[in-house]
Amino acid sequence: GNSVTQMEGPVTLSEEAFLTINCTYTATGYPSLFWYVQYPGEGLQLLLKATKADDKGSNKGFEATYRKETTSFHLEKGSVQVSDSAVYFCALRGTGNQFYFGTGTSLTVIP
Amino acid sequence: GAVVSQHPSWVICKSGTSVKIECRSLDFQATTMFWYRQFPKQSLMLMATSNEGSKATYEQGVEKDKFLINHASLTLSTLTVTSAHPEDSSFYICSASKQDRTDTQYFGPGTRLTVL
Repeated sequence: GNSVTQMEGPVTLSEEAFLTINCTYTATGYPSLFWYVQYPGEGLQLLLKATKADDKGSNKGFEATYRKETTSFHLEKGSVQVSDSAVYFCALRGTGNQFYFGTGTSLTVIP
Repeated sequence: GAVVSQHPSWVICKSGTSVKIECRSLDFQATTMFWYRQFPKQSLMLMATSNEGSKATYEQGVEKDKFLINHASLTLSTLTVTSAHPEDSSFYICSASKQDRTDTQYFGPGTRLTVL
């Protein structure tokens, strides 16, 4: 079946620190992989995606590379800002277009 | 951009009553919508896939008679929690994708249900 395992939080970082949030997956077939972000009081927003092995998704300074050999899609950012404080969800898209989410990682960036 | 709305944004009801939650795609048509449930500090759990004009497909462990889904048009899907109990209290989120079959899912803001 499909599942996503995500690094547990919460994570607290100082501004300009390096961020890594680990994500691994189990899937049948070749899923697309996603990172979604949920800001306080708002709905989920797509942050980035990758649709095949070795693809790198990037947006707003965040990056994640689809690693088939390690079934991973770790999220990274070189220098976080206070405005990056949110909950981040790793997800995969199944063959029927359903999404399977990780547990979410809460990130707090302090000035 | 694509917008998905949900109504109501929050609802409080008595145990034993039924509650209907609407999910609308405001500026695009969606043949398929999805319903998720999110417990506090936990992930979103896919409940069912709502297909316009046909029966919904439920994930394993989700009670079909408990969570009734109706996808009456290309812009509206409803989730009815029947005979609600306190354990049904949760955050319910819907999503929809455009008919152009891109990977992008657009999520609603969610509905907070509290059953007393």
